[in-house]
Amino acid sequence: EAQVTQNPRYLITVTGKKLTVTCSQNMNHEYMSWYRQDPGLGLRQIYYSMNVEVTDKGDVPEGYKVSRKEKRNFPLILESPSPNQTSLYFCASSFVASKNTQYFGPGTRLTVL
Amino acid sequence: GENVEQHPSTLSVQEGDSAVIKCTYSDSASNYFPWYKQELGKRPQLIIDIRSNVGEKKDQRIAVTLNKTAKHFSLHITETQPEDSAVYFCAATSNNAGNMLTFGGGTRLMVKP
Repeated sequence: EAQVTQNPRYLITVTGKKLTVTCSQNMNHEYMSWYRQDPGLGLRQIYYSMNVEVTDKGDVPEGYKVSRKEKRNFPLILESPSPNQTSLYFCASSFVASKNTQYFGPGTRLTVL
Repeated sequence: GENVEQHPSTLSVQEGDSAVIKCTYSDSASNYFPWYKQELGKRPQLIIDIRSNVGEKKDQRIAVTLNKTAKHFSLHITETQPEDSAVYFCAATSNNAGNMLTFGGGTRLMVKP
């Protein structure tokens, strides 16, 4: 089954404790992206990647890191999480050539205390 | 960069009535406009999209219109049903932006039986 998966789905952590949210897709998509969703603010892009070893900042990259060592995986790293990073995070992927029909993962709800 | 505004933020209609959600965008180079539906607790899913070379597109009860001159596009849902209740997001992007979508703030649609 074609899908985008994220882990964990729920995470409660404390300020300053490094964490990684994994994202994986099995559709051979070149493009992968991370969004955060906050009430009233819609979906805001954090980072995106057009292909392996190619990453770029989105609208709200501060406090986040990403890597794209393999085509299928695009982990989101919070080196020192803070309470303002409490949010719902979505990973998405698509073919570059299909012009943006993006498929979203199930979401990760992160709470930073 | 692109800025997308979406109105209204909430919309309540009676079952069977029509619903219209409007979005405006700022970048005249934008040429792809998808609409996503997000049910409570679920991931956003693409429901319809339109490219800049057409003015209208229909898929059963949903339709999208695009006015490039005025830089706005709209989602129309006819004969609404309770299962249409969700948050709807519009988005826009251009070739210059790669696959980077800029989303509107979302509209919470409630269909009352």
